[in-house]
Amino acid sequence: DGGITQSPKYLFRKEGQNVTLSCEQNLNHDAMYWYRQDPGQGLRLIYYSQIVNDFQKGDIAEGYSVSREKKESFPLTVTSAQKNPTAFYLCASSSTSGGSRNSPLHFGNGTRLTVT
Amino acid sequence: AQSVTQLGSHVSVSEGALVLLRCNYSSSVPPYLFWYVQYPNQGLQLLLKYTTGATLVKGINGFEAEFKKSETSFHLTKPSAHMSDAAEYFCAVSRIYGGSQGNLIFGKGTKLSVKP
Repeated sequence: DGGITQSPKYLFRKEGQNVTLSCEQNLNHDAMYWYRQDPGQGLRLIYYSQIVNDFQKGDIAEGYSVSREKKESFPLTVTSAQKNPTAFYLCASSSTSGGSRNSPLHFGNGTRLTVT
Repeated sequence: AQSVTQLGSHVSVSEGALVLLRCNYSSSVPPYLFWYVQYPNQGLQLLLKYTTGATLVKGINGFEAEFKKSETSFHLTKPSAHMSDAAEYFCAVSRIYGGSQGNLIFGKGTKLSVKP
């Protein structure tokens, strides 16, 4: 079955360490996204990528970095510069065929990051 | 600027009762609107979407939503709640700038509880 795989499901890190969250999709989607979810705040866009080797900052990109070397993969690095990294991180993808805004997002099951 | 407002962060209904989750949006162009559902520690799953055409949209699990342009609303309803409907629900509108497709702005979510 096609889908999005995020790993690991739970991640624990010490403050000051960088950590990379994995996101892989086999849906053949061009566009991929990273969202952060905090209780009561909904989802906020961190970074997105519409094609390989290209990505753009979302609403809360500070303290994060991404790469898009392959169509299937869009890893997110949470750097030590991110002031409040503990959160639930969701990766998503969508089709860009047809050139419309009505492509729904397909989500992975998320990674819960705890930094102490 | 575009925005999504979900009225009520928590809604509680009895099993068999009507479910009504409210969503209002702000958009300077005709919006594309979505409802997603999230079960604990999982990603988001698309319930339904409105793009153009019929203003009453039917989705999965017996949910439906009506687009009302005059009220800038897209409320989600289900005639009879089931215990399995307990989850968090997110309303979203598709962004209109930045050239990205499928890039959504989410509301803060409404947690639905279903009492036996």
